[in-house]
Amino acid sequence: EPEVTQTPSHQVTQMGQEVILRCVPISNHLYFYWYRQILGQKVEFLVSFYNNEISEKSEIFDDQFSVERPDGSNFTLKIRSTKLEDSAMYFCASRRQGGNTGELFFGEGSRLTVL
Amino acid sequence: QKEVEQNSGPLSVPEGAIASLNCTYSDRVSQSFFWYRQYSGKSPELIMSIYSNGDKEDGRFTAQLNKASQYVSLLIRDSQPSDSATYLCAVYDRGSTLGRLYFGRGTQLTVWP
Repeated sequence: EPEVTQTPSHQVTQMGQEVILRCVPISNHLYFYWYRQILGQKVEFLVSFYNNEISEKSEIFDDQFSVERPDGSNFTLKIRSTKLEDSAMYFCASRRQGGNTGELFFGEGSRLTVL
Repeated sequence: QKEVEQNSGPLSVPEGAIASLNCTYSDRVSQSFFWYRQYSGKSPELIMSIYSNGDKEDGRFTAQLNKASQYVSLLIRDSQPSDSATYLCAVYDRGSTLGRLYFGRGTQLTVWP
């Protein structure tokens, strides 16, 4: 069964450092998302992406965050200068065209720890 | 800000019992509702969606929606230890372009043998 894959599974970084989280969505999916989950908290929407541009972003997704699809398969989330409060599990998700609006396929997540 | 509230539990039921999970939402115009299951340390997995008032059944799972009361629930019949997980209620943001979901905090369910 096709799946969304994410790397790395866990990254530890120092405050102020840049991190890039990578995702390979399911191949025939057209809509891509990043969500995050701080330990013990709700899963929160960060950004949606379609046709090589951001469709929507949340209040969390400030200038320190960026996304891109550099090569037609990978979908990346970059945090330019990490803060302690960026420590969370980051989930990539994708959805097929015409699919149920809430039927997202999530990757296993990348746990980011900022020290 | 659209709020999604769940009884946080934890909820503990014996094997074979019915587990009842509840969720309320703040946005009266919401139309689409989803239940995701999240095993510890894993990603959310969609198990049910519901759009119309009433019940929707899928195997041992039944989702119930009451838009007038802004309430959605999930019943798990004949609960199994493998159902032990956190269940996330999610509401689709109607004003969103590609489908932004608002999640509740989740209800942790434990099914004991």
